Amino acid sequence: DAGVTQSPTHLIKTRGQQVTLRCSPKSGHDTVSWYQQALGQGPQFIFQYYEEEERQRGNFPDRFSGHQFPNYSSELNVNALLLGDSALYLCASSLRQGNNQPQHFGDGTRLSIL
Amino acid sequence: AQSVTQPDIHITVSEGASLELRCNYSYGATPYLFWYVQSPGQGLQLLLKYFSGDTLVQGIKGFEAEFKRSQSSFNLRKPSVHWSDAAEYFCAVGATTDSWGKLQFGAGTQVVVTP
Repeated sequence: DAGVTQSPTHLIKTRGQQVTLRCSPKSGHDTVSWYQQALGQGPQFIFQYYEEEERQRGNFPDRFSGHQFPNYSSELNVNALLLGDSALYLCASSLRQGNNQPQHFGDGTRLSIL
Repeated sequence: AQSVTQPDIHITVSEGASLELRCNYSYGATPYLFWYVQSPGQGLQLLLKYFSGDTLVQGIKGFEAEFKRSQSSFNLRKPSVHWSDAAEYFCAVGATTDSWGKLQFGAGTQVVVTP
């Protein structure tokens, strides 16, 4: 039973570029959340997708956008990259039924901005 | 404002000794509570969770946590640590009024295990 998978593992970009990160949820899960984890900090909630719609959003600018596909996989897009966007980006999946389902995390994508 | 505090940034413990990691929260009502562990270069693994009921929660890898409503705390404990327990530990909370399950994390506690 595959868990949450993310790609790529590492990515290097320069300021001003755009990036797309991908996530496949754990089998049977239908909800995907994205978190940003800066070095030495805890993860910060970016947004959450269910039924291909953004359901909740954290305190992140519109440069951060996402998408969920019919197979429940998801993408995180970041435009006009800034040095401060360097972080580990974590994807988490859960099952929507019941609001106390724990989230399962992938290993993340390490994004470095030069 | 809602907050999650892990007072200890870094803890060093000898192998075989006991471990306790502190977590305090500030929420309008009792939230859902979680402990996650993160090994270097990896994502977060759920150790245990508290939703309701018994305030002493058992988790994986021999960890347990106790919810104390009067102290707004959810401390993580392990009676005897192993070298493989060296990692970063995060306390997280989710609002019971939030049906979507968004999590708010503390800043983490780095655990170093010495021989």
